[in-house]
Amino acid sequence: GAVVSQHPSWVICKSGTSVKIECRSLDFQATTMFWYRQFPKQSLMLMATSNEGSKATYEQGVEKDKFLINHASLTLSTLTVTSAHPEDSSFYICSARDWGRGLGSPLHFGNGTRLTVT
Amino acid sequence: DQQVKQNSPSLSVQEGRISILNCDYTNSMFDYFLWYKKYPAEGPTFLISISSIKDKNEDGRFTVFLNKSAKHLSLHIVPSQPGDSAVYFCAASVGPGTASKLTFGTGTRLQVTL
Repeated sequence: GAVVSQHPSWVICKSGTSVKIECRSLDFQATTMFWYRQFPKQSLMLMATSNEGSKATYEQGVEKDKFLINHASLTLSTLTVTSAHPEDSSFYICSARDWGRGLGSPLHFGNGTRLTVT
Repeated sequence: DQQVKQNSPSLSVQEGRISILNCDYTNSMFDYFLWYKKYPAEGPTFLISISSIKDKNEDGRFTVFLNKSAKHLSLHIVPSQPGDSAVYFCAASVGPGTASKLTFGTGTRLQVTL
């Protein structure tokens, strides 16, 4: 089945620093990847849609200058949390569909990255 | 505005019995629905999906029912096993396309007891 790999699985950083999270599709190509965030005991909230070779599309209320997304290849999307603050501490999860499997193929998720900003 | 709702935050079921997880949605444009299972500190794992042209889809122990008029779907797990204990999220999208965004419910924590 389709596998999405996310790295790192957890990271602790100091307030004001930037953190980069990588999301790779291991056995398929993904022109579109999605970045979600989950706060404790809450639902997964879509942050942005990452588009290969073009700008990401951000959901309402998500600061594009704070959450930089780069989708430079068909298998890699990165999310950089810039100038991180404690309120950015959350669980970030990327996802993608294997478009080669056609319509109806489900969204596959990475294992997530736990970010803690001190 | 929570477009996909799971009103039961938790559910406890005895091993071997049926687990029924419910989900309601408000956006009538949604036409593709999925259920995901999630363990702590892991990403969600896809379980089963259904498109709006169907009212039932079955895969092994998992069956999803869709009632479009009521904007309601449910996931049945039978028989329930201890390994099914996890948080279950329903999700919905407009179309099943590769760029279709999923909107998730708030999740139901299922505990299967011995």
